[in-house]
Amino acid sequence: GAVVSQHPSRVICKSGTSVKIECRSLDFQATTMFWYRQFPKQSLMLMATSNEGSKATYEQGVEKDKFLINHASLTLSTLTVTSAHPEDSSFYICSAPTGWNEQYFGPGTRLTVT
Amino acid sequence: SQKIEQNSEALNIQEGKTATLTCNYTNYSPAYLQWYRQDPGRGPVFLLLIRENEKEKRKERLKVTFDTTLKQSLFHITASQPADSATYLCALDTRNQFYFGTGTSLTVIP
Repeated sequence: GAVVSQHPSRVICKSGTSVKIECRSLDFQATTMFWYRQFPKQSLMLMATSNEGSKATYEQGVEKDKFLINHASLTLSTLTVTSAHPEDSSFYICSAPTGWNEQYFGPGTRLTVT
Repeated sequence: SQKIEQNSEALNIQEGKTATLTCNYTNYSPAYLQWYRQDPGRGPVFLLLIRENEKEKRKERLKVTFDTTLKQSLFHITASQPADSATYLCALDTRNQFYFGTGTSLTVIP
């Protein structure tokens, strides 16, 4: 099946700093990628849809200036958490759909803001 | 309001039995419904996709049904094994957006 990677898998940062998370589709091209956040024992919450060559679409309640998304190429999308605070600590997961509407997910990035 | 609900947060069954998980939704019109498995600290893994015009889909020990009138999908794991223990998520694909259910944690007891 298709493979999606994320980097880093874990990151600890200090409050007020910015963190960049990369999502790559390794063996297929993705014009669209999705970014999710998951809190412990909760389901995935869609944050935004990343579109190659155009602006990302953010879900209601997600601050676009805080969570910057750049879909630089057909295989790479990045999520930057700016001025991170402890409440931004979460598990961030990206996904990319194949041509058959199957979503392939990255392994996730555990962000801890101290 | 839009809602996706999965049956009980946790389900425990004996090895060898059939596990049945439910996914109910309101105020969505999905073109596809998908089921995923998620292990702790990992991203979800795709299992099965069923289209709005399909009633049933099978893959090895897995079976999914989709009733758009009832707005419900059932996910069955037959001859369950301890290795099937995980959280299972249903997801609705409305062609424009992708939404996940709350998940059901399945434990298969040896």
